[in-house]
Amino acid sequence: GAVVSQHPSRVICKSGTSVKIECRSLDFQATTMFWYRQFPKKSLMLMATSNEGSKATYEQGVEKDKFLINHASLTLSTLTVTSAHPEDSSFYICSAGLAGSSYNEQFFGPGTRLTVL
Amino acid sequence: AQTVTQSQPEMSVQEAETVTLSCTYDTSESNYYLFWYKQPPSRQMILVIRQEAYKQQNATENRFSVNFQKAAKSFSLKISDSQLGDTAMYFCAFIQTSGAGSYQLTFGKGTKLSVIP
Repeated sequence: GAVVSQHPSRVICKSGTSVKIECRSLDFQATTMFWYRQFPKKSLMLMATSNEGSKATYEQGVEKDKFLINHASLTLSTLTVTSAHPEDSSFYICSAGLAGSSYNEQFFGPGTRLTVL
Repeated sequence: AQTVTQSQPEMSVQEAETVTLSCTYDTSESNYYLFWYKQPPSRQMILVIRQEAYKQQNATENRFSVNFQKAAKSFSLKISDSQLGDTAMYFCAFIQTSGAGSYQLTFGKGTKLSVIP
């Protein structure tokens, strides 16, 4: 089956620093990748949709300048949390859409736990 | 905009018994898919079952089956012969394949299922 990796799996950083999270589709090409945020015991909230080679589309309420998304290749998307603050602490999950599937079937990465001190 | 509602925040079931998780959704689109995802304590999202809206036949995957009532916009998940490994959060999700917001997953708030030995 299609595999998506995320790196790092967990990161702890100081307030004011930036953190980059990588999402890779290991055995398929993903023209579209999605970034979600999940608070404890809550559902997944879509933050943004990124298409390879173009700018990401952010959901309402998500700060574009704080959450920088780059989708430079068909297998890699990155999320950079800039000037992180404790309220950015959360679980971040990416998914990759399988090109050519009838509904852009999404495969999920294992997630990244971000803790900002 | 489409919405997905899961009215049962938590449920429990005895091992080997059957449990049904409820989900309703709202959409004006005619082309869509419905899903149940499982998120165990590892937090990896796992696809349990998928239903195409244009198919009248209910989807089944081993011990998992759905009751898809299109007119009522209801999509419940039945787990038979519950196993300890079924303990997880279960999310109902929806994706439309046309119109605004197409190919984006919308998740319900989730149902926490505990299987009791």
